[in-house]
Amino acid sequence: KNEVEQSPQNLTAQEGEFITINCSYSVGISALHWLQQHPGGGIVSLFMLSSGKKKHGRLIATINIQEKHSSLHITASHPRDSAVYICAVSPSSFGNEKLTFGTGTRLTIIP
Amino acid sequence: DAGITQSPRHKVTETGTPVTLRCHQTENHRYMYWYRQDPGHGLRLIHYSYGVKDTDKGEVSDGYSVSRSKTEDFLLTLESATSSQTSVYFCAVNHGSGPKQFFGPGTRLTVL
Repeated sequence: KNEVEQSPQNLTAQEGEFITINCSYSVGISALHWLQQHPGGGIVSLFMLSSGKKKHGRLIATINIQEKHSSLHITASHPRDSAVYICAVSPSSFGNEKLTFGTGTRLTIIP
Repeated sequence: DAGITQSPRHKVTETGTPVTLRCHQTENHRYMYWYRQDPGHGLRLIHYSYGVKDTDKGEVSDGYSVSRSKTEDFLLTLESATSSQTSVYFCAVNHGSGPKQFFGPGTRLTVL
């Protein structure tokens, strides 16, 4: 069983829909990351959070440490949101901050 | 983009040939990482570096070696490429004061 599990693996939605992507993890963490990978391949960090909720524009990330679960929400989705969204976790120990990654959720927004 | 470049961006090579991928950063980040990305797998750590001449293995290090002779460059070498090493390779950096990593643009390697 992977230490980081994402669901769904693939998601197709109509423009304007509210999107939720889920991430569950089984190890102790110091932080959880949400990353975005566009079809061109580049990976960018969207959020890093260790508790509560963060918001940036139409994107909202939440984490529940007790349940070892995080969600990424997109409001008023747009075709430009089409990308692979990747969840990753940082270990509890301090040091070189190696990340463990989920396999990603491929999101397609249809106009 | 944290000043990260990777070269080459695309490479096609034949089984058994040596290949070196370069990651270059301009912002004096302490930690550097090499990952490979394959369908059905998350990004997997190959090797990482925590300083000049200080490197360690990741979870999929077999068949790969690395070198870091100066802060800005982290080289990944496939001594004798195999078809199973066909993948997209990403370099990442971390300045060491927190867990956030910044990724390079990736190198698509095809081993025929």
